[in-house]
Amino acid sequence: SQQGEEDPQALSIQEGENATMNCSYKTSINNLQWYRQNSGRGLVHLILIRSNEREKHSGRLRVTLDTSKKSSSLLITASRAADTASYFCATGNAGGTSYGKLTFGQGTILTVHP
Amino acid sequence: DTGVSQNPRHKITKRGQNVTFRCDPISEHNRLYWYRQTLGQGPEFLTYFQNEAQLEKSRLLSDRFSAERPKGSFSTLEIQRTEQGDSAMYLCASSLTSGYNEQFFGPGTRLTVL
Repeated sequence: SQQGEEDPQALSIQEGENATMNCSYKTSINNLQWYRQNSGRGLVHLILIRSNEREKHSGRLRVTLDTSKKSSSLLITASRAADTASYFCATGNAGGTSYGKLTFGQGTILTVHP
Repeated sequence: DTGVSQNPRHKITKRGQNVTFRCDPISEHNRLYWYRQTLGQGPEFLTYFQNEAQLEKSRLLSDRFSAERPKGSFSTLEIQRTEQGDSAMYLCASSLTSGYNEQFFGPGTRLTVL
């Protein structure tokens, strides 16, 4: 079953604008990761944030994590047409035999118009 | 190319037939994961290996599904007596063993059961 929900399910913006996607989850986590998937392709890892971190940056990406609200957000600044893809958050469990397994959300479909 | 590879990329089969997929992980990665993804959904965990040991299997993995990683390197996923509901993208990922493990995904095998 899916860990949580992503919001919005779809997002359409113009090139140059910022895109914000949100992810909520239900159980305690060890880490949260964001992945990108182009249509019909495999997933590409974007960024990992640990449960004891609140914010992380990588290039045009900024991820925040609020463990008290069990939520995360991914911000893509100055978007490009090449950013068009589905974006998934995935949570890593906090121990036990499921250590290392990822549980994915349903994803946000981002469309960036040139 | 040192990424995760999967074969075949596409498989069309008739209901009731058996199919086998192969995954070659990144060579130094000792963890290997299988996920299944249906259209419009995020990947769902099926099973994972640490070296040759299968450490966890999802309840999604019925007894028609079996996975092996005999020498701790490549892995195979076999589906016996395929059903139309098995149609999906089957994704393989690998990672190092750590509590904060970035998983690297292969391109997937798309299965269509007629």
